[in-house]
Amino acid sequence: DAGVIQSPRHEVTEMGQEVTLRCKPISGHNSLFWYRQTMMRGLELLIYFNNNVPIDDSGMPEDRFSAKMPNASFSTLKIQPSEPRDSAVYFCASSSNRGRGYTFGSGTRLTVV
Amino acid sequence: AQTVTQSQPEMSVQEAETVTLSCTYDTSESDYYLFWYKQPPSRQMILVIRQEAYKQQNATENRFSVNFQKAAKSFSLKISDSQLGDAAMYFCAYTSADKLIFGTGTRLQVFP
Repeated sequence: DAGVIQSPRHEVTEMGQEVTLRCKPISGHNSLFWYRQTMMRGLELLIYFNNNVPIDDSGMPEDRFSAKMPNASFSTLKIQPSEPRDSAVYFCASSSNRGRGYTFGSGTRLTVV
Repeated sequence: AQTVTQSQPEMSVQEAETVTLSCTYDTSESDYYLFWYKQPPSRQMILVIRQEAYKQQNATENRFSVNFQKAAKSFSLKISDSQLGDAAMYFCAYTSADKLIFGTGTRLQVFP
């Protein structure tokens, strides 16, 4: 079990550019979550999927953010256009059963300059 | 509003001593789960311990144990025989439906 795999680990981009973060959940996990971590706001849930279907996207900050899960083994979080205030660590997590807990990827540190 | 409160932004402990991190939460749900996660400087989120709300018995994982007081909505973490490797941010969290709601974290320092 390779765990939840996120790429890239670090991303530096210029304001206005499109950014795509990628996540491969653990095989067999049917729920996938995208979190954002900042010093000011802590860990915020952006969106989550059950069986590849978006269930709750109320945490997505604005229309510049979008997320997809085309199949059970892949999800993307896209920011277009990116802004400096989007700088944060973005985590992907997956779960097979909420009682067992959620397994997190190693995160992507995004810096928008 | 669904909230998790960790009232101690920072704590410190001497190596081999015991430390307790506090956490309170607010939920109207009757069926939920509680977790403590550890985040070392590597930023990896590591599950430390979990508790089912319907169980009265407090969970234990080696040197880590919890004091779960359901009526008070309190879920503290006790670390016994603290080790240098325990130094990290610790986050308390609970499930609301399928979502995991986090507190703001407690930074634990361990001194030799």
